[in-house]
This record gives sequence, structure tokens and C-alpha cells, in this order.
Amino acid sequence: DSGVTQTPKHLITATGQRVTLRCSPRSGDLSVYWYQQSLDQGLQFLIQYYNGEERAKGNILERFSAQQFPDLHSELNLSSLELGDSALYFCASSRGALTNEQFFGPGTRLTVL
Amino acid sequence: AQSVAQPEDQVNVAEGNPLTVKCTYSVSGNPYLFWYVQYPNRGLQFLLKYITGDNLVKGSYGFEAEFNKSQTSFHLKKPSALVSDSALYFCAVRVLSESGAGSYQLTFGKGTKLSVIP
Repeated sequence: DSGVTQTPKHLITATGQRVTLRCSPRSGDLSVYWYQQSLDQGLQFLIQYYNGEERAKGNILERFSAQQFPDLHSELNLSSLELGDSALYFCASSRGALTNEQFFGPGTRLTVL
Repeated sequence: AQSVAQPEDQVNVAEGNPLTVKCTYSVSGNPYLFWYVQYPNRGLQFLLKYITGDNLVKGSYGFEAEFNKSQTSFHLKKPSALVSDSALYFCAVRVLSESGAGSYQLTFGKGTKLSVIP
């Protein structure tokens, strides 16, 4: 158990809808990272937050957004969902702002029908 | 572009035999390299990292990795494979993020599926 929690575990929704994925980092970790894992794209970095501020941005679509709250949990919002958004979404956390060892949550499997 | 490559989609090895999972990298400057393992329906678990120092890095579960600067490689190894080592293995490199000064992100390889045959 990495200490990173993600909810929900599974999410099934329809095209055009909006969903929110939630992540709680390990105790003491200030950075949260979001990744998307799909068969065709592999593991893609989406975005990083450090102590409430956006720190680094990867291949995140404009339809997607994230935030980190004062208690350090983070939410990833996915809107106007398309079939191609179906994937595993992972959250990871680390102590500091500079990316070194990251601890991954169990993931949220999103299915868009 | 800064990246890592895992040339093998799948590696099969007999239980008890040594295993190697290959990774090559392309970065400017000194690389920060990582190996992660993913078991079915689970998140990634950190195995080991190379930042500086000895070229042979020891990690979790008896795994080690050899950093080779001249060959730009960071192969994962284990002297004696276990059936329980069967999983998906990812090599990653820390790269400078395009989004902001002084920020970094991990770029992962496509993954190598390791199957250890009893």
C-alpha cells in the first residue's frame, strides 16, 4: 500500500458528461501528479501540483483541469468526455516539488460509453 | 526530444534464471533514471533510481540496475527470477518540463511485460 488513495475505483459514464476524480496524497507529501494510462498512448503525465500551486503541465487537454486544495488532496476534472478518454487515471505524490521518487495510487478506471 | 525507450514489449524467462529488462535514454545533461513495476490492476510501485554515484543501483525485491553512460542505457536486472516477478516494468527519466522554469516531469517508456515461467 503506497499510502495514496484514489476515488472512485471505477467510473462509467456517457460521452459529453463531466466527472471528478479524487486523490489524497501520502501523509507529508506536498506534490500531487496526475497520469493517464491507455493501451495506445501508454503512461502520460498530465499535470503536477505542489502545495496548492500548479507546478508542471504535460499532455493535458483543455477539457481537463485539476486543482489541489489546502488539505493537499487533489481533484482532476474531465469534461465533455469522449470515447477516447476511457483510460486508467493515476495519481501519485512525492515529498518535494522536484520530481524524484513518486508513490502511485491504485488508479481510477474511467469508461466512457 | 528527451525520452526513454524500452525495446522489448515482452520478456520471457524461466524461474531461477537471471533476467534483464532493457532501457535506453536520450536526455541532455545528467540523467535521473527510474524503474517502476506495475502488477495487474494496481498502481505503479517504485523499484529504484539512479541520480549520481555508483553505476550499479540496488533496489527493492532483489532488483538492481546498471547505468551505462556510454551506451545511454539503464537496464534492470535480477540474478534469479521468481514467478511473482511477472508484471509490467516501466523505465522513466526526469525531464525538464516545458511548462515552467525549474519544473520537471517523468517521461515513461512504453513498458515491458515480464513473464517468469515456472
